[in-house]
Amino acid sequence: QQQVKQSPQSLIVQKGGISIINCAYENTAFDYFPWYQQFPGKGPALLIAIRPDVSEKKEGRFTISFNKSAKQFSLHIMDSQPGDSATYFCAASRANFGNEKLTFGTGTRLTIIP
Amino acid sequence: EPEVTQTPSHQVTQMGQEVILRCVPISNHLYFYWYRQILGQKVEFLVSFYNNEISEKSEIFDDQFSVERPDGSNFTLKIRSTKLEDSAMYFCASSDAGGTWEQYFGPGTRLTVT
Repeated sequence: QQQVKQSPQSLIVQKGGISIINCAYENTAFDYFPWYQQFPGKGPALLIAIRPDVSEKKEGRFTISFNKSAKQFSLHIMDSQPGDSATYFCAASRANFGNEKLTFGTGTRLTIIP
Repeated sequence: EPEVTQTPSHQVTQMGQEVILRCVPISNHLYFYWYRQILGQKVEFLVSFYNNEISEKSEIFDDQFSVERPDGSNFTLKIRSTKLEDSAMYFCASSDAGGTWEQYFGPGTRLTVT
């Protein structure tokens, strides 16, 4: 029940295209959903996050869509660029003013080809 | 921009030896975490720490692991007697008490146990 399932495992998108990564969770106590971007040899970097009181959040080319009833959320990267090539992790936690562990998905390796 | 720092970047040790991984969280943050990532796998929670005590620990965090905040800036993870399966990237993270739930990760320490 603590798992966060992420798909696809890997994704290849042409430059300028839309990259879509999906996650699903079981634990209804989760109410904070961040996405992290990780480059090889580096730590995860917070990209964008959403709370379940909204269905969508957009920051630049990155959008999170959230479906509370389906317990699913997704990351959309518009106008994908080669510099977006990285591994993306979705995560979930309770929002308890800090001190809550993140449960991560298994990651998606995104490759943007010219 | 404030960031989490970790030392060393790479530690090689022999099985059975003790290692200490060091982290300097973001200065005004109050919640601290250790996560690990075995090569090619997802990021896994180890332990959270607040107000000089462990808040939560995972089943991975057994008696061979300990954490400490020896002074006002450092946060350490000690592995008393390393095993081959402890080889992984270890990430420190911190978050503030302002209700933003955002955890910021350091660059990681690659631990190799031979």
